[in-house]
Amino acid sequence: AQSVAQPEDQVNVAEGNPLTVKCTYSVSGNPYLFWYVQYPNRGLQFLLKYITGDNLVKGSYGFEAEFNKSQTSFHLKKPSALVSDSALYFCAVRDRGSQGNLIFGKGTKLSVKP
Amino acid sequence: GAGVSQSPSNKVTEKGKDVELRCDPISGHTALYWYRQSLGQGLEFLIYFQGNSAPDKSGLPSDRFSAERTGGSVSTLTIQRTQQEDSAVYLCASSLQDLSTDTQYFGPGTRLTVL
Repeated sequence: AQSVAQPEDQVNVAEGNPLTVKCTYSVSGNPYLFWYVQYPNRGLQFLLKYITGDNLVKGSYGFEAEFNKSQTSFHLKKPSALVSDSALYFCAVRDRGSQGNLIFGKGTKLSVKP
Repeated sequence: GAGVSQSPSNKVTEKGKDVELRCDPISGHTALYWYRQSLGQGLEFLIYFQGNSAPDKSGLPSDRFSAERTGGSVSTLTIQRTQQEDSAVYLCASSLQDLSTDTQYFGPGTRLTVL
């Protein structure tokens, strides 16, 4: 069975500080991993994905994520947070070769204060 | 280009009424997915289509829920005899195909409120 855990319901960061939103996964095979962001009253917006190759994936708006197979993690990071980064962040996984829906974590609310 | 669109953006209905939610995927995308997001909850998968076929209906919560897709494009999610627990945001997504590497692109959602 596939699953995703986002251990933090909320992350608070001061503007200009680095941010990390954590994600761990469980799949039977090799994973494909995704990050999405949801702003209030909006749909989910794709940020980045890991398919294969370099473990450090760069995405939209200065975000990046590092795939760590031994720790089964895919944490989202940004070197310098902006107030406008405040939103709900979702990690998702798919087992290689699977079809259909993504398996989503429950989401982490990021709050960046000036 | 145009993204995934959904209509209506908001729907308020009375318990027991039927509702139809519409999704227009990105042009050329063959796969289409429906999810539900309840307040404070994550995303719950409902159903997906590859072309006009629905290989996986396992997420539909009850037989009051049904969905169809015609012409490999527009999809309609129908909820019959709505209940208060159906209140949620219904999100539609599409992807180019249904390869496990494909990115799913989401619409803005339909917020359903059942009174």
